[in-house]
Order: sequence, then C-alpha cells, then structure tokens
Amino acid sequence: AQKITQTQPGMFVQEKEAVTLDCTYDTSDQSYGLFWYKQPSSGEMIFLIYQGSYDEQNATEGRYSLNFQKARKSANLVISASQLGDSAMYFCAMRDWDSSYKLIFGSGTRLLVRP
Amino acid sequence: GAGVSQSPSNKVTEKGKDVELRCDPISGHTALYWYRQSLGQGLEFLIYFQGNSAPDKSGLPSDRFSAERTGGSVSTLTIQRTQQEDSAVYLCASSPGTGYGYTFGSGTRLTVV
Repeated sequence: AQKITQTQPGMFVQEKEAVTLDCTYDTSDQSYGLFWYKQPSSGEMIFLIYQGSYDEQNATEGRYSLNFQKARKSANLVISASQLGDSAMYFCAMRDWDSSYKLIFGSGTRLLVRP
Repeated sequence: GAGVSQSPSNKVTEKGKDVELRCDPISGHTALYWYRQSLGQGLEFLIYFQGNSAPDKSGLPSDRFSAERTGGSVSTLTIQRTQQEDSAVYLCASSPGTGYGYTFGSGTRLTVV
C-alpha cells in the first residue's frame, strides 16, 4: 500500500529565510505523482507544486521548489524567502495510480514564520 | 461555478441524528472525491465518483456513511446516527478525471454534540 510520511509536526522559520519540509513516500509503483498543498487557518487546500516520478528535473513554482530524490523516496518542499503569509499547514500527497487517482495524504507539518 | 462549493460550512448536530453534506463540483469535472480531516490530522480518503462508473467506497469508515452523486454533478455525503467521533471537517474535491488539477472546496465542519 502507498504511504506518505511527514515527520515534522511543527517547524519554525525566520522571515526571509528558507525552510525545508520533509516528505518520504512508499510505493511499489514505477509511475506516480507527488503533490504539496498548503492549508491556511481558513481551511482551504491550496495546490503548490507537483512532481511526476519520471520528471528529470526538480519542480519549481515561484518560491516553492521540490527536492525530489527518487532513490531515497523523498520529496521535500523548499520554501525560499519565507513570508509571514506562509504560516500554515503543509501536506504532502501521492496520487494513487489505481483507477481512482485518489490522493493519499501525509499527516502534515505546521509551519510558523517568525517576524 | 468557478470553484468547488460545499454546504453547509458549519453543522452542529446531536448524537444519533442523521446529517447530509453537499458538494457542488466544478462544471465539467468528472471525478469527485470526499475526504475527512480530523482535528490536526491529515486528510483521510472516504469515497470517489468518476462519471457513471461504480464509486470507490473503500475509505468509508462504517456503514453509517454513504454518498451519492446525482446526474454526474452534485454529491451528497450522508452520515446516519452520528457519533462524536464523526466530528471533523469534510472536504470535497473535484478533478477533470485525469489525475491532475484537483480543486478542493472549503469544507464542512461537522460537530456532533
């Protein structure tokens, strides 16, 4: 069965610094997709970044980048130049490749950006 | 509509009562998912609909939970004889069905007292 593990329940970062949120995954599939979502206190799930298992380059979206290490089965999210608005819960997710394409989520990391 | 709409946004119910939660997906999205998020936890998959195919109910925690999707659009999640452990945020998501482009609603916060 597929599984996502986020080992950091909470993280602090100083404003304007970079922070890495860890995510490891377990799957026997060769083809899979990895997602990161942000959930602010308002509760909505905001898509941040996607990495396909066959993508040769690490995904980047503005201040977000994904450090994809396939052999180690890790897909860490790097946020550069942290802003106060980055304070939120962050979830790593994997797309299930059975017929449903459902997303399987980790337990999340709460990030607090200090001014 | 422009996004996934869920109603009600908040629901307080007495233990033992039935509740219905509604999800209106993005127009044209063929796939619809229900998730449950308990306080401080990740999202737990409940059920999936894709077009006219039989739903994937593998995540439903008990037979008190059921869902339907009418006309390939609006979905209703029903919880019968609610228990306190059912208290959670119930999130709905839709996608074009290709494994990309998931859009989540703002959720329904259910409190069972």
